[in-house]
Amino acid sequence: EAQVTQNPRYLITVTGKKLTVTCSQNMNHEYMSWYRQDPGLGLRQIYYSMNVEVTDKGDVPEGYKVSRKEKRNFPLILESPSPNQTSLYFCASSPRLAGGVDEQFFGPGTRLTVL
Amino acid sequence: KQEVTQIPAALSVPEGENLVLNCSFTDSAIYNLQWFRQDPGKGLTSLLLIQSSQREQTSGRLNASLDKSSGRSTLYIAASQPGDSATYLCAAPNSGYALNFGKGTSLLVTP
Repeated sequence: EAQVTQNPRYLITVTGKKLTVTCSQNMNHEYMSWYRQDPGLGLRQIYYSMNVEVTDKGDVPEGYKVSRKEKRNFPLILESPSPNQTSLYFCASSPRLAGGVDEQFFGPGTRLTVL
Repeated sequence: KQEVTQIPAALSVPEGENLVLNCSFTDSAIYNLQWFRQDPGKGLTSLLLIQSSQREQTSGRLNASLDKSSGRSTLYIAASQPGDSATYLCAAPNSGYALNFGKGTSLLVTP
């Protein structure tokens, strides 16, 4: 089954404790992206990657890191989480077309709480 | 920067009604526009993708149109059902590779 998977689905942690949220897709998509969703603010893009070893900042990259060492994986790293990073996080992937991206497919989400 | 706005923010209709959800965007040089559905606490499900060269796309009871010149897209839902209750989001690309979302329209279809 074609899908985007995220782990963990739920995470409660404390301020300053490094964490990684994994994202994997099995559709051989070139483009992958991370978003956070907050009440009243909607979905905002954190980082995206157009291919292996190619990443770029979205609208809210501060406090996050990403890496794209393999085509199928795009982990999101919070080196020193803070309470304002409490949010619902989504990973997405898409074929990359010349000039833009195609239909995006989303993972099920990771609900992160930072105490 | 691409700004995406959705009106109304919330909508309640009785079952069986046809309805229209609106999405506007500021940068008309978009590559495509995508509509999503999100159920409470769940992920996003892609409904329709309209390429810049297209005027509309249809899937079942859903029809999405795109007017680049006016910076607008509409999602038409025919014969609404309680199972259509969800939040509907539109998203347009920003400079080709980044995606900007509207804040969504929360739809409630009452039996």
